[in-house]
Order: sequence, then structure tokens, then C-alpha cells
Amino acid sequence: NAGVTQTPKFRVLKTGQSMTLLCAQDMNHEYMYWYRQDPGMGLRLIHYSVGEGTTAKGEVPDGYNVSRLKKQNFLLGLESAAPSQTSVYFCASRTSGAETQYFGPGTRLLVL
Amino acid sequence: GENVEQHPSTLSVQEGDSAVIKCTYSDSASNYFPWYKQELGKGPQLIIDIRSNVGEKKDQRIAVTLNKTAKHFSLHITETQPEDSAVYFCAAGSGGSEKLVFGKGTKLTVNP
Repeated sequence: NAGVTQTPKFRVLKTGQSMTLLCAQDMNHEYMYWYRQDPGMGLRLIHYSVGEGTTAKGEVPDGYNVSRLKKQNFLLGLESAAPSQTSVYFCASRTSGAETQYFGPGTRLLVL
Repeated sequence: GENVEQHPSTLSVQEGDSAVIKCTYSDSASNYFPWYKQELGKGPQLIIDIRSNVGEKKDQRIAVTLNKTAKHFSLHITETQPEDSAVYFCAAGSGGSEKLVFGKGTKLTVNP
């Protein structure tokens, strides 16, 4: 039982490049979340999903897209990366029956 | 929407002392209040949570108190140890919401 895993762990992008961050969970959780963490800003919700095939916007969705084609995977895409998207990205998941969210180890993204 | 304020942003204590971190929330409908600990380079991990039908909850050296009237809740760590050094986040959520709103975090340093 690996819990929540994220790939890659670290990535450097140039402005304008695109990339996809992958989150996978093996706990059969219905809900999945993408957050970004910046110094002094805490955890801010980007997008989330309450089930396979569904997505919804969070607090800071601009510049990101997501997809949840399979229950266990939640993908976060950056179509045209900007330096303002330099951050640490965390994925989390939870079951529909409880509020506790379980976090992955994070992806550190640097956009030059 | 919900807003969570967390204080202090940094806290330094001597080993063996107690540490207290405070959070306030704005939405009276919130009824679930978790605390997460984030060690350097890792994802946040739940350490304790409390629901609005309980005023206090303890787990060994950690306790959380909730004052629904004043809309604030606190994390208390007694007999602090160097391994307690980390960033701590409070959050608030409700049974009717899929989301948690996080505070900005408190960096706790326990000096040996």
C-alpha cells in the first residue's frame, strides 16, 4: 500500500513549456486534490475531483488544467508554464466517508 | 467562503517547553478541524483532528482545543522535542463541503 504517490519529484521548465504532473493513489479514494505551496502562503487549492470523470476549480485554478480519467489517477497540466507557477505541488486524496486528506510527497517545479 | 487565520507564523521554544499554535475561522458551518505536520521535504501528515461536538482532544503530548463560540481552535504540544520541529498547518472544513481551507502555517523550531 503506497498511499499517494507523485511523479516527477522535481522538474525544471522553461517559460512557455508544458508538462503534466501525475498523482496516483491506491486507497480507492473518491476525492482527489491538487494544491500548491508557496512560502508564507500555506496550501492553496488548485483543482479537485469528487469522482472519476469529474473535476472542479479551487482557489487558484488559472493556468492549470486537470483530468480524472481513472479513479486512482489525477493529472495536473500546465499548458504554457510561467515563472509564477514555480512552486511545490501536492496531491491529496480522501474517501467520501471521511474528511481526512492524505498527502503525497510533493513535486517541486521551477519555471525559468 | 471560509477563511482561516493562523498565528504565529514562526515559533521557537526550548526543548521540554510547551508550544501553542492558534487558528481562527470565519464560517460557523465548519465542523471539522484537522492539524497537519509537515517535515522538511515531505508532504503534510495529519497529527490530530477535532470535530465541533467536542471541546478538547488529546493524543499523548498533543492536544487540540476548540471554542465554537469564538470560532477559534488551538494546538498544544507539551514536553517538546527536537523532532517536533516542523511546519504545522491548521484547517477547517464542513461535512457539506468537499474542501478544506488551510491556514498559512507555523514553523516550529525546538532548540535542544
